[in-house]
Parts: sequence; C-alpha cells; structure tokens
Amino acid sequence: EAGVTQSPTHLIKTRGQQVTLRCSPISGHTSVYWYQQALGLGLQFLLWYDEGEERNRGNFPPRFSGRQFPNYSSELNVNALELEDSALYLCASSPGNIAGYTNEQFFGPGTRLTVL
Amino acid sequence: SQQGEEDPQALSIQEGENATMNCSYKTSINNLQWYRQNSGRGLVHLILIRSNEREKHSGRLRVTLDTSKKSSSLLITASRAADTASYFCATDARGSYIPTFGRGTSLIVHP
Repeated sequence: EAGVTQSPTHLIKTRGQQVTLRCSPISGHTSVYWYQQALGLGLQFLLWYDEGEERNRGNFPPRFSGRQFPNYSSELNVNALELEDSALYLCASSPGNIAGYTNEQFFGPGTRLTVL
Repeated sequence: SQQGEEDPQALSIQEGENATMNCSYKTSINNLQWYRQNSGRGLVHLILIRSNEREKHSGRLRVTLDTSKKSSSLLITASRAADTASYFCATDARGSYIPTFGRGTSLIVHP
C-alpha cells in the first residue's frame, strides 16, 4: 500500500512569491492535515480537511490556504511568501471520522521550502 | 502554547542504555501518541495509548500514561544507534480531531 506522498521535495522561492504544495493521502483516508515545522521547532498545525471541507485551521494568516479535491488529495497554497515561511511542510492523512477513530496520523516525507 | 511538552529537549546516551522521554499536557485527552522523526523527514507513528490505559508495550518501546498527572513517558530499552531521532508526543484533547504536538526530544545514541 502506498504511503502519503508529497511534492515537490524541495522548493526555493523568493520573498513575495506564491507557492503550491501537494499531498496525496493513503488510499481510503479522507482526512488530510497540514503542519509547518520550522527549524528546531515542533509541528504547528496549519489546516485540516475532511471529505472535501476545511474543518479547522491553526493560528496562521489568511495567506495560508488550501483545498481538498474529490479524490481526497490536497493542496497548500502560500501567498506573499515571507522569510519566516521557510520550513518543512508536512502533510498527514488519517482514516477520518469512522468507528474506532483514533486519529493516528500517517505522514508524508514533507516539502522543504526555503524563502530567500 | 503547546498542548504537549517533551522533556528533556535533548538526550545523549550510549548504545545499550535505556532512554526515557517524558511528555506533559494540559487538558483532558482521548489518547496520546508518540511519533519518531528522523532528521528532516516525516514522522512515523510509534504507539498510541488511550486515556483509559496505563501502560503499553511495542517491541523495545514502553509507554506509560498517568492522567492524574497529565503526563506520559516513553522508554526505549537497549537503545541502538539507529534509534537516533527526534521523538514527539501528540495529544488529542477531548472533542478535538486535531492532535497537538510538542517540540520533541532529540535523542542521540552513540555507537
């Protein structure tokens, strides 16, 4: 069974540019979570999608947005990039709100974004 | 602020020794999970312990949960150099579907 995939692996952008990161969840998983992990810090929750809807978002400005497609894959968009957006962006999927739900998350390898 | 906080921030031991990491949290939880992250990569789920469980084992891993103290510990026995990684706890607050991660414990196991 294929795991969570993310693309691209690495990305270098300059301040003010826009970026789109992509995530494909494990087959059958309906929930996708996005996290930002700045160097040396823990994971900061960005966004949660389930069944195509945004269910919750973390304490990030509106220039961080995303969507989930009918096949449950997801995109994270970041507009007007700032230097402090440099981080590892992690996507995780989970089975969603079903019986026995435990919210065990399965992570992708991440996208390393560098903003110059 | 973080829901879960790991302690210590960094731990350096010799191969064969045991490694113990602690996690404290603030609100009532449904379950607590431990994850491992190798340098700059995605997290790997290690073990989940539910709020009504006190101890759980998986191979060389032993996790305890004390809900009265709002704390958990992860013990890695007979550590190996390959155990070198960062370890995170994640808690699900009651009524929330969003696990909250701590800042992690960086474990270095010297061969």
